[in-house]
Amino acid sequence: DTEVTQTPKHLVMGMTNKKSLKCEQHMGHRAMYWYKQKAKKPPELMFVYSYEKLSINESVPSRFSPECPNSSLLNLHLHALQPEDSALYLCASSPRGSGGSYNEQFFGPGTRLTVL
Amino acid sequence: QKEVEQNSGPLSVPEGAIASLNCTYSDRGSQSFFWYRQYSGKSPELIMFIYSNGDKEDGRFTAQLNKASQYVSLLIRDSQPSDSATYLCAVRGGGTSYGKLTFGQGTILTVHP
Repeated sequence: DTEVTQTPKHLVMGMTNKKSLKCEQHMGHRAMYWYKQKAKKPPELMFVYSYEKLSINESVPSRFSPECPNSSLLNLHLHALQPEDSALYLCASSPRGSGGSYNEQFFGPGTRLTVL
Repeated sequence: QKEVEQNSGPLSVPEGAIASLNCTYSDRGSQSFFWYRQYSGKSPELIMFIYSNGDKEDGRFTAQLNKASQYVSLLIRDSQPSDSATYLCAVRGGGTSYGKLTFGQGTILTVHP
């Protein structure tokens, strides 16, 4: 298994809903990442987990809550989102812990989120 | 000054030509460099990475790195219409940046038949 998977592919939610995005990899990668990408912009880093511990939080609002239950799984819990949070949410993983300099990141297909 | 800058596009080349994509970066301590291809509506796909000065070739793709000039490029030989996409340059900074990649704004490449 050489890929990062994400579910769901699409998600529409209201501002009062609670939902979760899921990311999975079975490549034995030791770091996992959440990115947000708006149209015609590059990905923006949100969170980094290295060896299942949160190592970077890029000052993301608390309505986004990451969770890493085990080394293969990464969740992003969503609550009370705003319409401006509508975007493509990308998960990525890399073979070594995130502190390593030489460490390629591989992206999943993303979840297209729309907040009404 | 932007941390990672890519040549402004869009870039249009005829099928079979060489497409040249350029990227400069400001952090002199940067150690690793990546090129991603992103088709419209899809996620970024890693196509090349380079860590040492010089050239690295993989099929029709060649990445070139010059750390003294803080410059990295991607050449695509024998361009095909299927190469039409946005190309993102990403740089991993030096020090304890803990895996943070800084992306350029992307260059849109169109290969016309």
